[in-house]
Amino acid sequence: EAGVAQSPRYKIIEKRQSVAFWCNPISGHATLYWYQQILGQGPKLLIQFQNNGVVDDSQLPKDRFSAERLKGVDSTLKIQPAKLEDSAVYLCASSGMASSGSPDTQYFGPGTRLTVL
Amino acid sequence: QKEVEQDPGPLSVPEGAIVSLNCTYSNSAFQYFMWYRQYSRKGPELLMYTYSSGNKEDGRFTAQVDKSSKYISLFIRDSQPSDSATYLCAMVDTGRRALTFGSGTRLQVQP
Repeated sequence: EAGVAQSPRYKIIEKRQSVAFWCNPISGHATLYWYQQILGQGPKLLIQFQNNGVVDDSQLPKDRFSAERLKGVDSTLKIQPAKLEDSAVYLCASSGMASSGSPDTQYFGPGTRLTVL
Repeated sequence: QKEVEQDPGPLSVPEGAIVSLNCTYSNSAFQYFMWYRQYSRKGPELLMYTYSSGNKEDGRFTAQVDKSSKYISLFIRDSQPSDSATYLCAMVDTGRRALTFGSGTRLQVQP
């Protein structure tokens, strides 16, 4: 089974520039998550999709971050304009249907490491 | 106060030692408790999860949950250099599916 794919793996931009990240989840997984992991911290949820609908975007800075999941498969996360504090690893995860009495098992991609100068 | 607190370490132990990793939490709604392992420049991978208070064992790993104290632990027996990684505790509350993570503990097992 192929894992979660993300690209690019690394990105360096100047502040106020825009950047986009791409995620391809595991085939058949209906739920897709974007997390932000700042150095030395645990991942923090930015947005959660169920198929192509948004379930939770309460922690997404909507003035600069946007995300979409067209056709309920691939997803893109965009930052415009970027700030210095956006330097982090952006992780994509996906999960399928959980069995009764079990939590969703989220499978993570390798992440995109963003450096904002 | 963060919902999940975890000592960042780093924790350095000799090969073969027993390792104890811990998290505390404040949200009583958390129902599932997970441990993820994250190698450098990789995404987190699930090690194990527990639902209720008590112990759960999987090979060299034992997860322990004490809901009354809001305290969870992961024990690693016979630690190996390949166990060197950052260990993240994570929790899920009822009604949500996204994870709330601790900050991670970096573990180094010396050969």
